[in-house]
Order: sequence, then structure tokens, then C-alpha cells
Amino acid sequence: GQQLNQSPQSMFIQEGEDVSMNCTSSSIFNTWLWYKQDPGEGPVLLIALYKAGELTSNGRLTAQFGITRKDSFLNISASIPSDVGIYFCAGHSNQAGTALIFGKGTTLSVSS
Amino acid sequence: NAGVMQNPRHLVRRRGQEARLRCSPMKGHSHVYWYRQLPEEGLKFMVYLQKENIIDESGMPKERFSAEFPKEGPSILRIQQVVRGDSAAYFCASSRTGQGLGYTFGSGTRLTVV
Repeated sequence: GQQLNQSPQSMFIQEGEDVSMNCTSSSIFNTWLWYKQDPGEGPVLLIALYKAGELTSNGRLTAQFGITRKDSFLNISASIPSDVGIYFCAGHSNQAGTALIFGKGTTLSVSS
Repeated sequence: NAGVMQNPRHLVRRRGQEARLRCSPMKGHSHVYWYRQLPEEGLKFMVYLQKENIIDESGMPKERFSAEFPKEGPSILRIQQVVRGDSAAYFCASSRTGQGLGYTFGSGTRLTVV
């Protein structure tokens, strides 16, 4: 089945630093989504991307839908302690029916 | 203006027992999706239901697992004769139209099989 490779697996940064994480796939996706999950909670949608090449921002977060439609990245600028959590990419392919395919997540730790 | 409500938040079952997980979608939403998250993994799709219909169950294990979304009441994910490998967090999401993919997830039910 389709799989997403998400990297890095974890990051330890200082408050104020910028962060970048990405996802790649061996197959094409039509939609890319980025979620954040806090401990004990469900994932919360951060950014949705629907077109190849699309660059979208949500506050300090910026995400891009790769031109090849096989990758996406998420940047967080000027990190703050509340950015701590697990970030997941998710992709959808029209061939996959309803299912979103999730990466394994990037765990972000921010020290102040 | 409640979000997607799941209960119980935590559920402990002995091997061989049945587990029933409930999901009440957001008000006005008639489409429900169930996902499973194993420890340190991403979410994996299980099933998509609309009121009284299963639309896509391609991610559901063939045995012991079933889901329903009756005309009245919450959606239920039922796991019969649970085994240790069923221990996971189960998340439900809902949407109004079934179009678009950025749907809202509930806080999940954490199932532990002992």
C-alpha cells in the first residue's frame, strides 16, 4: 500500500529557532494535510494543500505541496514552547478512496 | 458548539472481551470516519460511514471488527474477542458533506487489552 516517509523523526530545538520537516511518497497524492497532535488528544488540522506547487501559511506555519505531487514540507518560524507536540503529514490519492495516509510523525521539543 | 465527542476516553478490557467505542459527530455532520493509531505510529484508516450506511471499510480487519452509524445515536466501533494487539488509540472524525478531507478529529478512545 501507499506509504509516507516523514522526517526527521524527532527534533530538539531552542525557542526562537525555525523548524522544517517534510514528507515524501513513492506515489502521487492529490491532497496534502499537516496535523499537530498534543499528548492524549486527537490530531488538529494545521494546513491543507490541494494544488501542486501551492504554498500556504497559517500564522508562523508555512507548508508547500511539492511540484512532483510526491512531497510536502512544513516550516515553523520563531518556535515557541507551545509548538511542542507531534506533527503528522497526511496525503490523499484519488485512487485510495476515502482514506488519508499518515506519516509516522515528527516529535518536536522546544526548550526555552 | 461541541466538537466530535468520543467515549469512553480510556477503556480497559481483558483478552476475549468485547470493546464498544462510541463517537458522536459534530452537530449537523452525517459522515463519520474511524482511524486507529498504534503507539508511535501515524493514524491508519479503518472505515467511513454515512448515516445507516458503510461507505468504505477497506481498512477494517476482516474479523472481529464492525462499525455502525444508526439513524439515531452515535457511531459505534465494536471489537469482539479483543486481543493484546488491539491495544491502540481509536479516533473518530466527522464531516458535514463527505467532501473535502480536512475533517475534525475527536480526542480518541485509548483501548488497553490486558
